[in-house]
Amino acid sequence: SAVISQKPSRDICQRGTSLTIQCQVDSQVTMMFWYRQQPGQSLTLIATANQGSEATYESGFVIDKFPISRPNLTFSTLTVSNMSPEDSSIYLCSVDRSGEEPQYFGPGTRLTVL
Amino acid sequence: AQSVSQHNHHVILSEAASLELGCNYSYGGTVNLFWYVQYPGQHLQLLLKYFSGDPLVKGIKGFEAEFIKSKFSFNLRKPSVQWSDTAEYFCAVNARGGYNKLIFGAGTRLAVHP
Repeated sequence: SAVISQKPSRDICQRGTSLTIQCQVDSQVTMMFWYRQQPGQSLTLIATANQGSEATYESGFVIDKFPISRPNLTFSTLTVSNMSPEDSSIYLCSVDRSGEEPQYFGPGTRLTVL
Repeated sequence: AQSVSQHNHHVILSEAASLELGCNYSYGGTVNLFWYVQYPGQHLQLLLKYFSGDPLVKGIKGFEAEFIKSKFSFNLRKPSVQWSDTAEYFCAVNARGGYNKLIFGAGTRLAVHP
């Protein structure tokens, strides 16, 4: 498995502001993913964070709203921009080290937008 | 389109009862299958996985799941539940080969009463 940390663990933000969430892994991984878990819902993939190139976004998610960086093989950030109360969710990063293993998840960032 | 269906959204059991949670998926190719668990206040953890081979897979804490290809199913079972099994259980699938996103089911909330 992999040890994954996320910062912050939770935050309360005002409408219209932005928050950057960090995801750090204890070893180099090939692929990192960002998921959203809205209240009472399952997990939905936002994007795949590619090292050295632009992230790949799922339908319904756009780079202007959720810019992602992946500067190296152990770190990624997700920014939630121009937030509204509808963005209140848990945001999770996951890693896939080899394509032949399960994805492992970070502890999540619980975001509340007022 | 790929999808995962979990039949039970809420399950309430008494300790020592047997558990079976249903999961069916829709996907046109070869898949990997997973059950993840989220205990109250904790992050998402891998319970068990199926990549290939024996369709009956065993996971942590006495859980097992059986892959039935003809039924596109991957049901989770435990012969005797404990209060500590109270959690939310997610079935997930991804395409085999490479770094592929996970598609999650809606989740099943299990409450075990002493």
